[in-house]
Amino acid sequence: QSALTQPASVSGSPGQSITISCTGSNSDVGRYNRVSWYQQHPGKAPKLIIYDVTLRPAGVSNRFSGSKSGNTASLTISGLQADDEADFYCCSHAGVRSSYLFGGGTKVNVL
Amino acid sequence: QVQLVESGGGVVQAGGSLRLSCEASGFIFKNYVIHWFRQPPGEGLEWLAVISSNGNTIFYADSVKGRFTISRDNSRNTLYLQMNTLRPDDTAVYYCAREAYYAPGTSPTWYFEYWGQGTLVTVSS
Repeated sequence: QSALTQPASVSGSPGQSITISCTGSNSDVGRYNRVSWYQQHPGKAPKLIIYDVTLRPAGVSNRFSGSKSGNTASLTISGLQADDEADFYCCSHAGVRSSYLFGGGTKVNVL
Repeated sequence: QVQLVESGGGVVQAGGSLRLSCEASGFIFKNYVIHWFRQPPGEGLEWLAVISSNGNTIFYADSVKGRFTISRDNSRNTLYLQMNTLRPDDTAVYYCAREAYYAPGTSPTWYFEYWGQGTLVTVSS
């Protein structure tokens, strides 16, 4: 199983919107509406920000939104803020022996 | 509040063993599925293993199958990861994480609500 494909970095200015893509296959991202996204600041643990493709846990800003089309999931951050500068990872169930796949991570730079 | 605290990391020589612990608090530990993940320095996340709430169902990533063993002691609210035959490419921060709740017999949720702070394992050659 290959990792999911994410861009290495995405940049934007404060207040702008950016979108991070996460491409898998019809065995994982395309098969299940169960993509989740995690934000990780340097030296910190990952934090869940999106689950089941589009849902936000309580307490997560509504500036984060998720979507999916075919084998590609996307995370959009609107109204970009300095604190959004972090690494973002997508994750999907892989359908094989209850395993999970992560994307390689996308570093968001706030210019 | 929900807390997961990993411990047991350190420096070990290649071929050696280490046991990690993940102590849980703030929730009913025996009701939840728990996972282990790792993150090599400067790299991305990798799923390693999962154990059901009662410990009867376990799955591993191919990269650690046969070398690592996940277990839990619900009386101690603690998850373990026994790591044997360690290799330099096992060097990573190891995290435990709680899967969102689902009742036995229902569909898994497949996402990870709470994570520990991680413990660093360094395998020297």
